[in-house]
Amino acid sequence: DQQVKQNSPSLSVQEGRISILNCDYTNSMFDYFLWYKKYPAEGPTFLISISSIKDKNEDGRFTVFLNKSAKHLSLHIVPSQPGDSAVYFCAASEQGSYIPTFGRGTSLIVHP
Amino acid sequence: KAGVTQTPRYLIKTRGQQVTLSCSPISGHRSVSWYQQTPGQGLQFLFEYFSETQRNKGNFPGRFSGRQFSNSRSEMNVSTLELGDSALYLCASSFAGAAYEQYFGPGTRLTVT
Repeated sequence: DQQVKQNSPSLSVQEGRISILNCDYTNSMFDYFLWYKKYPAEGPTFLISISSIKDKNEDGRFTVFLNKSAKHLSLHIVPSQPGDSAVYFCAASEQGSYIPTFGRGTSLIVHP
Repeated sequence: KAGVTQTPRYLIKTRGQQVTLSCSPISGHRSVSWYQQTPGQGLQFLFEYFSETQRNKGNFPGRFSGRQFSNSRSEMNVSTLELGDSALYLCASSFAGAAYEQYFGPGTRLTVT
């Protein structure tokens, strides 16, 4: 049973527009969330994280929103650039646990 | 600062053999975690070592084992290889632990024939 779900396997966006990647979770004990980006033939790269005490965290073009009541988080990329084309993974962990649970990823394609 | 390195990058083994993969973390990172990535299952946590001790283990059979040395370098061993072990094996290092910001290596692509 997947505790972290990324229901959209792929997303296609025009350059300059907003990309919104979604992630749902079922474990109410998750309290720390991260997004990673992965290019082919490379390992994932950390993008941004958010603790459950916050509902928004921003870093440049990347913003993560957390809706605890809906058990939902999203990553917004504004404006999207062709170099953002990659697979994006969300991950979550419980307080006191060092084991992250990853979603299966969403492939983002940004068209020039 | 040098990134996480993994060796070898590619490996082909036959069923029943064993394999050892190596990971050198970022200098100063004491946490090293291993993951298996397959198209069907995504990224799955294997185990984490912190200061030479296994701190956490995922839901994998005992054929998967690891260790960490005093310089934080880590090795992962898979014995009695099965076809289903074909995957990309990723190592990640972290200052605080696997649940926090991690730095991943490029992975070792293992093919079992």
